[in-house]
Amino acid sequence: NAGVTQTPKFQVLKTGQSMTLQCAQDMNHNSMYWYRQDPGMGLRLIYYSASEGTTDKGEVPNGYNVSRLNKREFSLRLESAAPSQTSVYFCASRRGLAGVYEQYFGPGTRLTVT
Amino acid sequence: AQSVSQHNHHVILSEAASLELGCNYSYGGTVNLFWYVQYPGQHLQLLLKYFSGDPLVKGIKGFEAEFIKSKFSFNLRKPSVQWSDTAEYFCAVNGLYSGGGADGLTFGKGTHLIIQP
Repeated sequence: NAGVTQTPKFQVLKTGQSMTLQCAQDMNHNSMYWYRQDPGMGLRLIYYSASEGTTDKGEVPNGYNVSRLNKREFSLRLESAAPSQTSVYFCASRRGLAGVYEQYFGPGTRLTVT
Repeated sequence: AQSVSQHNHHVILSEAASLELGCNYSYGGTVNLFWYVQYPGQHLQLLLKYFSGDPLVKGIKGFEAEFIKSKFSFNLRKPSVQWSDTAEYFCAVNGLYSGGGADGLTFGKGTHLIIQP
């Protein structure tokens, strides 16, 4: 099992450009998540998908959109990148909807917006 | 809104010293609590978790944590640290978000632990 995979690993964008971060998991998990990690801020939830076909906002959703393409894949889109979106983005998945199970994290995408 | 506080942002210890990292949370409902570790350049890995039952939980690599409900705390401990424990440590709790469902994690800001040989 590869676990949770993310592409790309690194990306540099200019302000106003768009891009999609890809995430896939091969653990047959129902729930998937996108977080951003900023120095001194910990991780903050952007969006999550409790199950295939559903998505919902987290703590910091502004400037982002998501798509739960199927059970395996959950993408994060930046329509018009801003320097404030410079961050490390982590995707995670969890087996169940309820709080019993832990989340498994991908390796992250380091995004710089100039 | 729920929140997680980690009291120590930077901790420097010598090898073999004992470690305790503080974590307090504010959340009115039933909590699930976690400690994650992030080694330099790597993704987050689960150290240990508390869902219910014995409030003293043991995790990987000799770490343990104690859930004290009355103090809203979930402190991480290790009796004798090693150089390889140098990493960022995050406390997290299940949270409620705008969708109304209990999901996602609320993280503390992290503690950067440096172990000197």
